[in-house]
Amino acid sequence: QQPVQSPQAVILREGEDAVINCSSSKALYSVHWYRQKHGEAPVFLMILLKGGEQKGHEKISASFNEKKQQSSLYLTASQLSYSGTYFCGTEGENRDDKIIFGKGTRLHILP
Amino acid sequence: GAVVSQHPSWVICKSGTSVKIECRSLDFQATTMFWYRQFPKQSLMLMATSNEGSKATYEQGVEKDKFLINHASLTLSTLTVTSAHPEDSSFYICSARGLDRPNQPQHFGDGTRLSIL
Repeated sequence: QQPVQSPQAVILREGEDAVINCSSSKALYSVHWYRQKHGEAPVFLMILLKGGEQKGHEKISASFNEKKQQSSLYLTASQLSYSGTYFCGTEGENRDDKIIFGKGTRLHILP
Repeated sequence: GAVVSQHPSWVICKSGTSVKIECRSLDFQATTMFWYRQFPKQSLMLMATSNEGSKATYEQGVEKDKFLINHASLTLSTLTVTSAHPEDSSFYICSARGLDRPNQPQHFGDGTRLSIL
């Protein structure tokens, strides 16, 4: 089942913060976050594994609540380069190697 | 970092032509490769999972005779769109995953934009 992302789109001014959520109806082994710019391939941001991890990458961090099967991506003090579409991908507990992506969240940063 | 090369980047061809897209992992061995299709402003839709030396596993609704996948080695998988028609026009992206799984992300190729006239 495809994970559900929210919001669908966000417009921010440079320096503002954003949170993107990803939830699944099935038990998860891992959550993957990617950013895709128009016309380009997705770029890997981070993986969170079962165990309730929280990871950080510069001003971008994420958490994974395995009890709720939810993950959130936090963008702090956003920069213009953060614009793009963010996808979460989920891998089920059966670890069949498949990653199913959500519909994406479009983020637009204004100067 | 890990690099996945996808070729060609663009294909424009006539209806009825078969098109082959290559996906190579350049600096790691990819036990599993994935093929996705993406329409404009939409998500990445998984078409099939390809394991080296075995038949690909296709997602529901994907015609295996239409989209032929071959994973001949640990570094190469190919997708052939047979007898392509305008409705097959899309952005096709491959990704690859290495041998050590738990902390390994999928690494994406740059994608192939296919336009069928």
